[in-house]
Amino acid sequence: GENVEQHPSTLSVQEGDSAVIKCTYSDSASNYFPWYKQELGKRPQLIIDIRSNVGEKKDQRIAVTLNKTAKHFSLHITETQPEDSAVYFCAARFGNQFYFGTGTSLTVIP
Amino acid sequence: GAGVSQTPSNKVTEKGKYVELRCDPISGHTALYWYRQSLGQGPEFLIYFQGTGAADDSGLPNDRFFAVRPEGSVSTLKIQRTERGDSAVYLCASSGSGVTDTQYFGPGTRLTVL
Repeated sequence: GENVEQHPSTLSVQEGDSAVIKCTYSDSASNYFPWYKQELGKRPQLIIDIRSNVGEKKDQRIAVTLNKTAKHFSLHITETQPEDSAVYFCAARFGNQFYFGTGTSLTVIP
Repeated sequence: GAGVSQTPSNKVTEKGKYVELRCDPISGHTALYWYRQSLGQGPEFLIYFQGTGAADDSGLPNDRFFAVRPEGSVSTLKIQRTERGDSAVYLCASSGSGVTDTQYFGPGTRLTVL
């Protein structure tokens, strides 16, 4: 199976600064990597995803990079805002299954 | 259109009881997933349906857990002889049939086993 590790587990940044969350995966056959944002008591919501044939994808203040050789991918949030505060999960699709990281609790300090 | 819905939102039961958790996926979504999320953890895969059949049930922790999707739409996760360790939020997600189709999650059912 697949094993996804996520770092850091907690992250505090000042409003306006950038935040970076990193994940590694173990199986090179994984081919799809979504990122989810989960606010307290709410459902996970997809914020960005990247397929294995792409190295980088950007959507406004959010970007994801993928290094297939090193088997790691990262989430970058620029110009952070208080409403970005939440738990962020990375995931990797291996076969029929999605394997999730353990989450990063991001706090943006106004 | 309507998103993924799950009922009940909360379920409190006693150890040893049987529970059923229901998931209504987005209309037209052929893929349906069940996950379990414990406090401070990411969702843990339980089972995947493509249409009516369980295409991958390797995540079910033991034979007390079973899920069905008889008409390829609504799914029910069934847990027999519940144990305190089964307490968690059970999430359902649905997507189209493509490998990289976006998964949309339901709000979850919080199961508490006393």
